Amino acid sequence: SSELTQDPAVSVALGQTVRITCQGDSLRNFYASWYQQKPGQAPILVIYGKNTRPSGIPDRFSGSSSGNTASLTITGAQAEDEADYYCHSRDRSATHRVVFGGGTKLTVL
Amino acid sequence: QVQLQESGPGLVKPSQTLSLTCTVSGGSMTSGTYSWTWIRQPAGKRLEWIGHIFSSESPNYNASLESRVTISVDTSKNQFSLRLRSVTAADTAVYYCARGYSSGQLRLSFFDYWGQGALVTVSS
Repeated sequence: SSELTQDPAVSVALGQTVRITCQGDSLRNFYASWYQQKPGQAPILVIYGKNTRPSGIPDRFSGSSSGNTASLTITGAQAEDEADYYCHSRDRSATHRVVFGGGTKLTVL
Repeated sequence: QVQLQESGPGLVKPSQTLSLTCTVSGGSMTSGTYSWTWIRQPAGKRLEWIGHIFSSESPNYNASLESRVTISVDTSKNQFSLRLRSVTAADTAVYYCARGYSSGQLRLSFFDYWGQGALVTVSS
């Protein structure tokens, strides 16, 4: 199966913009979805498809993709955005099987 | 609002079988649109997809677990279940059930509803 690679940690100053990236061969054929996970909580879907936010997700979250790289951008990061972020996509080599990235810990300074 | 809730033993002995059930409320499981999925997360580690099942199709499993795992669905009870055989300490994790959507035509896949997670510890 394919893999998705994320930077382990990223930091951003309060109110600034941060981009979290995810790389993998499967992303050439499938969009990534992104999840926010805070300690002790289940992941929450924040972006899926080309750039779709589920209801209730602030519009400071956006997604994009190019080639084998997907990005999650937070424009004007807030303290409550400090969390782990995981990307996910379908596996390029098998029907319906999926893969997750290793996660990026976002620190808001 | 769809809700999912995991249930099952929190402690399993090595070599035995881990069994968890996910109860779905607020929505029907009979639609073939959604997958019913198990995902786990060892402490401090990444999410790992275990496998999923559609209401009218055979399940799909993570290749690394396929020889030990069974996922089944009971739409009459709005539940789906996970059985993981011959467990070791490496299977200690928080186990999540989730609802998934996938479209090859739209080139997307996501999990929109998750249970709160169930910690399962493998220890004698």
